[in-house]
Amino acid sequence: EVQLVESGGGLVQPGRSLRLSCAASGFTFDDYAMHWVRQAPGKGLEWVSGISWNSGSIGYADSVKGRFTISRDNAKNSLYLQMNSLRAEDTALYYCAKDRSSSSWYRGDAFDIWGQGTMVTVSS
Amino acid sequence: DIQMTQSPSSLSASVGDRVTITCRASQGISNYLAWYQQKPGKVPKLLIYAASTLQSGVPSRFSGSGSGTDFTLTISSLQPEDVATYYCQKYNSARTFGQGTKVEIK
Repeated sequence: EVQLVESGGGLVQPGRSLRLSCAASGFTFDDYAMHWVRQAPGKGLEWVSGISWNSGSIGYADSVKGRFTISRDNAKNSLYLQMNSLRAEDTALYYCAKDRSSSSWYRGDAFDIWGQGTMVTVSS
Repeated sequence: DIQMTQSPSSLSASVGDRVTITCRASQGISNYLAWYQQKPGKVPKLLIYAASTLQSGVPSRFSGSGSGTDFTLTISSLQPEDVATYYCQKYNSARTFGQGTKVEIK
């Protein structure tokens, strides 16, 4: 079964850091670009970051550029999001998502597989 | 940055009605457009990619059209299980979502 399972969310104070993980199974992980998408409570979807199959190309939303770092370990079939200098507005459910057919995050495709998400709450 | 604008933001229709949701890009994006369905409390689900290609397993009452800047998602005969919020997304370079359209049954 194709599956993405996120972990690492929790309650964190403003200015602190958190690292999210996404474990992939059921498909050849290093064939595809991967992404993080977030959804604030009661709000819409916001793309956060994407990474190509070999980590050679990476992109970020302006709202997180310079604070968040995406990475992947193909040997472990895992995707990560290091979140630094967290703000209240980063509070959201964070989803890991797979590109449908592309290995490049830039010239990519729609997201055909999503994880269940991990909740991040930034509050003092 | 290219912005994606959906309309309407919400709609209410009767079972069996034809429902149309519009998505407009602030610049041309060819056909790099996807539609997602998110039911309350659930994970988003891919419905359509490449503006008009139905994802495997999606009911044929869903269809998509458009190219360039103007796109449409149509539900030919609304069913109770279609109650959800629908999002468009461009996927050439940065992935930008529309703000969503909430569909309810009248």
